[in-house]
Amino acid sequence: GAVVSQHPSWVICKSGTSVKIECRSLDFQATTMFWYRQFPKQSLMLMATSNEGSKATYEQGVEKDKFLINHASLTLSTLTVTSAHPEDSSFYICSARGQGGLNEQFFGPGTRLTVL
Amino acid sequence: AQKVTQAQTEISVVEKEDVTLDCVYETRDTTYYLFWYKQPPSGELVFLIRRNSFDEQNEISGRYSWNFQKSTSSFNFTITASQVVDSAVYFCALWPHSSASKIIFGSGTRLSIRP
Repeated sequence: GAVVSQHPSWVICKSGTSVKIECRSLDFQATTMFWYRQFPKQSLMLMATSNEGSKATYEQGVEKDKFLINHASLTLSTLTVTSAHPEDSSFYICSARGQGGLNEQFFGPGTRLTVL
Repeated sequence: AQKVTQAQTEISVVEKEDVTLDCVYETRDTTYYLFWYKQPPSGELVFLIRRNSFDEQNEISGRYSWNFQKSTSSFNFTITASQVVDSAVYFCALWPHSSASKIIFGSGTRLSIRP
């Protein structure tokens, strides 16, 4: 099956710093990538949808200036958490959808962000 | 409204017992997909099954089985002869065809299998 990787798998940073998380589709081209956030003991909440070469579409309540998404190529999307604060600590999961086929989404392993 | 409800927040059973995880969904779409995912403590989502709205055949895969009932908008998941390794959070999810690929997740059921 298709493989999606995320880097880093975990990160700890100080409050006020920015953190970049990478999401890569390893063996297919992803026209669309999705970013989810999951707080402890909660479900996955979609943050934004990004299509290669265009601006991301953010879900209601998600600050686009705080969560910068770049999808510059068909195999890479990045999420940058700017000026991170402790309340941004969460598990961030990306998924990628390929071209044609069953339009299935393939999920990355997630990145655990802890902001001190 | 498009929604997935997993009413069981937590379930705990003794190993070797059978357990059913309930999932009820709402959508106006006639074309949609339903999914089950397993999320072990590591956090990585493990895909278990995908079902499209036109295929009501029940499915069995080893100890796992799924019962899709459009009449009750339910897609329940049964684990027979449960094992400790089945302990995880299980998510039911819906992808309505009209939603531009947005998958809607249920709140999840935390399953604990006691030895």
